[in-house]
Amino acid sequence: DADVTQTPRNRITKTGKRIMLECSQTKGHDRMYWYRQDPGLGLQLIYYSFDVKDINKGEISDGYSVSRQAQAKFSLSLESAIPNQTALYFCATSDSKGDKNIQYFGAGTRLSVL
Amino acid sequence: GDSVTQMEGPVTLSEEAFLTINCTYTATGYPSLFWYVQYPGEGLQLLLKATKADDKGSNKGFEATYRKETTSFHLEKGSVQVSDSAVYFCALSNTGFQKLVFGTGTRLLVSP
Repeated sequence: DADVTQTPRNRITKTGKRIMLECSQTKGHDRMYWYRQDPGLGLQLIYYSFDVKDINKGEISDGYSVSRQAQAKFSLSLESAIPNQTALYFCATSDSKGDKNIQYFGAGTRLSVL
Repeated sequence: GDSVTQMEGPVTLSEEAFLTINCTYTATGYPSLFWYVQYPGEGLQLLLKATKADDKGSNKGFEATYRKETTSFHLEKGSVQVSDSAVYFCALSNTGFQKLVFGTGTRLLVSP
């Protein structure tokens, strides 16, 4: 089983719908991140969490919200999806007690907003 | 702010050719530098890293040397294989806050 699991792997939704992308990890890491990947833009940080009670906005948080339900779970919500949120979304983790700079990524969720 | 610039792709090579993917960075202080690789349908995974000037990171035949004087961290491999076909991301992490700043990625295509 993967250490960082994202669900769903693919999602098609309509403009205005609320959707949630989920991430769970079995690595025991305290830090979790959400990124989006767009062609030609690399990865952009949406939100990050250094522990269950710590949530921080990244570069492009507008239109998104997150919830850290437990150390192992970090979900990303789009309250009212719009077409320019069509992208590939990645969850990542890191360990503050190990090499904080190394992040471990899930396989991604491909989201299409019609 | 901190930033990473990579050469645009795709880079198309024949098997056993020499590979160079250029990466330069702008950052305050003394960042750590990374190369991540993304194989088709998968998430990113760390390929190699270097944490201070003149360090050489290496893994799976790939190498990159942290050059502070030229603010560069170019990725090289002496003989590429078809299985190396992937997207390669250069990234940095600065002290004080362990956030990764990624370049835009370079796609490598290796043909037999």
